[in-house]
Amino acid sequence: QKEVEQDPGPLSVPEGAIVSLNCTYSNSAFQYFMWYRQYSRKGPELLMYTYSSGNKEDGRFTAQVDKSSKYISLFIRDSQPSDSATYLCAMKTGRSGGGADGLTFGKGTHLIIQP
Amino acid sequence: EAEVAQSPRYKITEKSQAVAFWCDPISGHATLYWYRQILGQGPELLVQFQDESVVDDSQLPKDRFSAERLKGVDSTLKIQPAELGDSAMYLCASSLTRTTSYEQYFGPGTRLTVT
Repeated sequence: QKEVEQDPGPLSVPEGAIVSLNCTYSNSAFQYFMWYRQYSRKGPELLMYTYSSGNKEDGRFTAQVDKSSKYISLFIRDSQPSDSATYLCAMKTGRSGGGADGLTFGKGTHLIIQP
Repeated sequence: EAEVAQSPRYKITEKSQAVAFWCDPISGHATLYWYRQILGQGPELLVQFQDESVVDDSQLPKDRFSAERLKGVDSTLKIQPAELGDSAMYLCASSLTRTTSYEQYFGPGTRLTVT
């Protein structure tokens, strides 16, 4: 079992719909939870990060973290065709243990917004 | 807007040849990361630098890969000799410090094809 599981999709929804993207994880030491958007043949773009549990909102995007269930979500409201991309969740532990600070990524979910 | 620069964007090489990738992080970012992303997968950390020092290179195949950041600014990742299995996207990322490693900003990547 990989540390971070993410359904690769594709997920296809009509324009204007609310999109829900999810990841589950197994490492209870993860403290930081990030969402990246990656367009084809481009580098990942950081959308938002959350520390520990709770919700965070940024414009049309809302991130939720439920550490008790080891489950994180990204919601996109009023989805647009320009939101069509691969969405990667990423996680990292706190730094109390030292070591590398690399992110652990899911495989990414390919999202298609139909005009 | 500050960005991570990478070159070349695309590289095609024959197996057994040497290749090199260059990265210039966001100005002032002390921490630099090299990731490899295989098609359909999330990025995986290869090496992390703090200024000019290697923090972690445990996932770097050191028999053929090398990385340096001599003056603590830009960085070079080299593969010699390249193998067919090295075909992937090589991504560079940076963060202001190790403490803010939850905010990693990625460059556009170098897509390597080994024939």
